Amino acid sequence: EVQLVESGGGLVQPGRSLRLSCTASGFTFGDYAITWVRQAPGKGLEWVGFIRSEAYGGTTEYVASVKGRFTISRDDSKNIAYLQMNSLKTEDTGVYYCTRRVGQNLDYWGQGTLVTVSS
Amino acid sequence: DIQMTQSPSSLSASVGDRVTITCRASQGIRNDLDWYQQKPGKAPNRLIYAASSLQGGVPSRFSGSGSGTEFTLTISSLQPEDFATYYCLQHNSYPWTFGQGTKVEIK
Repeated sequence: EVQLVESGGGLVQPGRSLRLSCTASGFTFGDYAITWVRQAPGKGLEWVGFIRSEAYGGTTEYVASVKGRFTISRDDSKNIAYLQMNSLKTEDTGVYYCTRRVGQNLDYWGQGTLVTVSS
Repeated sequence: DIQMTQSPSSLSASVGDRVTITCRASQGIRNDLDWYQQKPGKAPNRLIYAASSLQGGVPSRFSGSGSGTEFTLTISSLQPEDFATYYCLQHNSYPWTFGQGTKVEIK
C-alpha cells in the first residue's frame, strides 16, 4: 500500500526555519517525483513545488512566493523527501501535504502537517 | 503564471441535482487539467485527470470536459457524500496552479 507521511510541522516564529519530512512506503520511492502542496487555514490549495526523480536530474521547481526561501530535497536511500523552509512568514501558515507525482498527475497524498508561523 | 478562475465559489444544491463547476485558464493548457474533491480535514482526492478521464474507483456520475481554456466538472446526480469542495489543477506549465475552489453545500 502506498503511503506518504508528513512530519516536522509546528509553531515557529516569523523569520525562523523549519524542515518538513515526507516519509514514503509501499512503492519504489526513487522512481517518482514528489510534490508539496499547502493550504492556508480556511483557504484553497497552493502548489508549492516539486523535485524530480534522480533519473531526471533531481531538479526542482517552485512557486514564486517561496523561491529563494524554500528548498525541496530527497534522500532516496531513506525514502524521504524534505521541504526546508527558511525566512518563514505568517502567510506560510497552513497544512503542508506531500504528494507522489506520476507523469503529470498527483495520485497519492499524505495526511498533511500543520505549520503555524506566529510570534 | 497561468491563472485558473473557478466558478462558482460556492453553490447550494439538493440530492439528485445536476451540478456544473467551471474552470477557465488564462491561456491555453490543452487538456492538462485535473479535478480534485476535498472533504474537511482530509487530503484531496483526484476525480478526473487529463480533463475528461475518470480516476479509477470514482463513481460515473462525475464527468469532466473541455480543452484549451474552458473546463467543466459535472456531477450528474448529486449524492450526500458529494458535499465537499472541488478544485481544478492545471499542470501544463510551472508553477502548477489550482482554481480557488467550489464549495458544494446542502440546500
